[in-house]
Amino acid sequence: GENVEQHPSTLSVQEGDSAVIKCTYSDSASNYFPWYKQELGKRPQLIIDIRSNVGEKKDQRIAVTLNKTAKHFSLHITETQPEDSAVYFCAAGSGTYKYIFGTGTRLKVLA
Amino acid sequence: EAGVAQSPRYKIIEKRQSVAFWCNPISGHATLYWYQQILGQGPKLLIQFQNNGVVDDSQLPKDRFSAERLKGVDSTLKIQPAKLEDSAVYLCASSLGAGLGVNEQFFGPGTRLTVL
Repeated sequence: GENVEQHPSTLSVQEGDSAVIKCTYSDSASNYFPWYKQELGKRPQLIIDIRSNVGEKKDQRIAVTLNKTAKHFSLHITETQPEDSAVYFCAAGSGTYKYIFGTGTRLKVLA
Repeated sequence: EAGVAQSPRYKIIEKRQSVAFWCNPISGHATLYWYQQILGQGPKLLIQFQNNGVVDDSQLPKDRFSAERLKGVDSTLKIQPAKLEDSAVYLCASSLGAGLGVNEQFFGPGTRLTVL
């Protein structure tokens, strides 16, 4: 069935370093790849997304890359700050407006 | 723009009892989703509505869970009877849908259910 794998499950980085989270999807019909940030006890919030006709997208310190051939996409956060600490979820969406979420990555930015 | 509203925010029940959750999506959003998020895991889709019709309920445990969106706006999710493993946060989300291509889902604050 449809599946999204996400790695790593936990990630600790020093403040100012970069963080990279990777996801792999199985459904070749997927054409939309959002990333959500979820702080403890709060709702998931979209931080960046990319569509299948684009290979890379950047928004300030956050970037996402997509490799359609390999069916994987990655989130890159540069110059990490303590407020970046949260759980990050990737998802793969298709034409039925359905998302399959990854299992999440708990990012800790150490001051 | 008002966000997705959910109530109640918290609910504690005993196993075998019934519970219902309510969701009001963003105005004009055709697609509504109910997710179950168990602690430490990603959201798992339970059911997806397009207006008042069900698009996907393949992961909804239909022997105990039911959901409706009668007028294509508000939605309710019911569990009857509840089991211990139903303890989770139930998230409602909505998106524009309706032929505009896959697009952003906006999440509500969730209902944290504890089954004792």
